Amino acid sequence: AQSVTQLGSHVSVSEGALVLLRCNYSSSVPPYLFWYVQYPNQGLQLLLKYTSAATLVKGINGFEAEFKKSETSFHLTKPSAHMSDAAEYFCAVSGDTDKLIFGTGTRLQVFP
Amino acid sequence: SQTIHQWPATLVQPVGSPLSLECTVEGTSNPNLYWYRQAAGRGLQLLFYSVGIGQISSEVPQNLSASRPQDRQFILSSKKLLLSDSGFYLCAWSGGVGLDTQYFGPGTRLTVL
Repeated sequence: AQSVTQLGSHVSVSEGALVLLRCNYSSSVPPYLFWYVQYPNQGLQLLLKYTSAATLVKGINGFEAEFKKSETSFHLTKPSAHMSDAAEYFCAVSGDTDKLIFGTGTRLQVFP
Repeated sequence: SQTIHQWPATLVQPVGSPLSLECTVEGTSNPNLYWYRQAAGRGLQLLFYSVGIGQISSEVPQNLSASRPQDRQFILSSKKLLLSDSGFYLCAWSGGVGLDTQYFGPGTRLTVL
């Protein structure tokens, strides 16, 4: 069985500051891991995914995430936050089925 | 390229009324299709998924049902809505080749009064 824990339901940063959104997973098989972003009243958009190739994954909008098996983590980072990054971010895991298991989400606020 | 549509975008319905939400996918064949509900502060809950026409798996027993009458059409229904059915409903598709990425539609905001 798979599960995902996102630490911090709300994260606030200043524009230009580092963004760090935390995700820890549990999986009995080698996982595939995903980060999605959701803007208000819209669907989810894929930011990046890890599929057992390189452990550092680069995504859209300057985001990247690093898969750390020893820590069962897949944290999302961006060196410099923009106002347009304000949204809700979801981490998800899939393992031995076609189904994704989502975390409860982290709302990112960016202050000028 | 593939696109996914959902309608309506918003819906306000009285308690006890029926529901029909539609999702269609273009540009792919034999996709896996998914219905999720997103309630405030509760993340995404998988409701149903389908790997082919007429094949529906239910994840959570509830007041809703799903059907897949055509390869790229997925419908979410209810005979009598409850207040607790309010939420943001998202349809998604994947390539159906195990562990593939899911792509989401724009969603339907349902308010039950």
